[in-house]
Amino acid sequence: QVQLVQSGAEVKKPGSSVKVSCEASGGTFTNLVINWVRQAPGQGLEWMGRIIPLLRITNYAQKFQGRVTITADKSTTAAYMELTSLRSEDTALYYCAISRASGSYLIDFWGQGTLVTVSS
Amino acid sequence: QSVLTQPPSVSGAPGQRVTISCTGSSSNIGAGYDVHWYQQLPGTAPSLLIYSNINRPSGVPDRFSGSKSGTSASLAITGLQADDEGDYFCQSYDITMSGSVFGAGTKVTVL
Repeated sequence: QVQLVQSGAEVKKPGSSVKVSCEASGGTFTNLVINWVRQAPGQGLEWMGRIIPLLRITNYAQKFQGRVTITADKSTTAAYMELTSLRSEDTALYYCAISRASGSYLIDFWGQGTLVTVSS
Repeated sequence: QSVLTQPPSVSGAPGQRVTISCTGSSSNIGAGYDVHWYQQLPGTAPSLLIYSNINRPSGVPDRFSGSKSGTSASLAITGLQADDEGDYFCQSYDITMSGSVFGAGTKVTVL
């Protein structure tokens, strides 16, 4: 089974952007769907969007439309989530998470998370 | 405010049964979309607990069960154990939001 390895913690200034990576260890994302879900400190889970690399399709949560971009490289061994115009409320743990079926939003397994702190 | 409503917390003594509700609407659960449940133990990433309303992934004890009716779903934990303490989240798809939605989560405490 593919293991997910996410990039390290980031500290960003308000108004800047962050790009978090998620690498597939032991396989590729070719037949999988990569979701990005965030969790603010002490809060619940919030789905941000997903990418289906095989079909080159992305879906974004309405809340993040225009501010988030999810991509995958051509080798489909890595996926990325870029969030722009950062504000303090974007401080959260960002997870990449895999769905095995493109027709479902079921998340089969999760990465370890990447902490993004937005502070002046 | 979450599209799916969960109680903030439930508690029970070891061995007891607890249930967690997940209430949605005709835009999500009531529209026939599946409900999935995730368990998040302290300091860890979430993990899949119940999928497609009633199914357990391999390795999940049968103490955990799910159900769905109308615009709601429920997760039951029987034979409550100390290491069940954590947060539990329901998830579904919402037509109005055009994407996946989560409940705010329920903290389970073993007394």
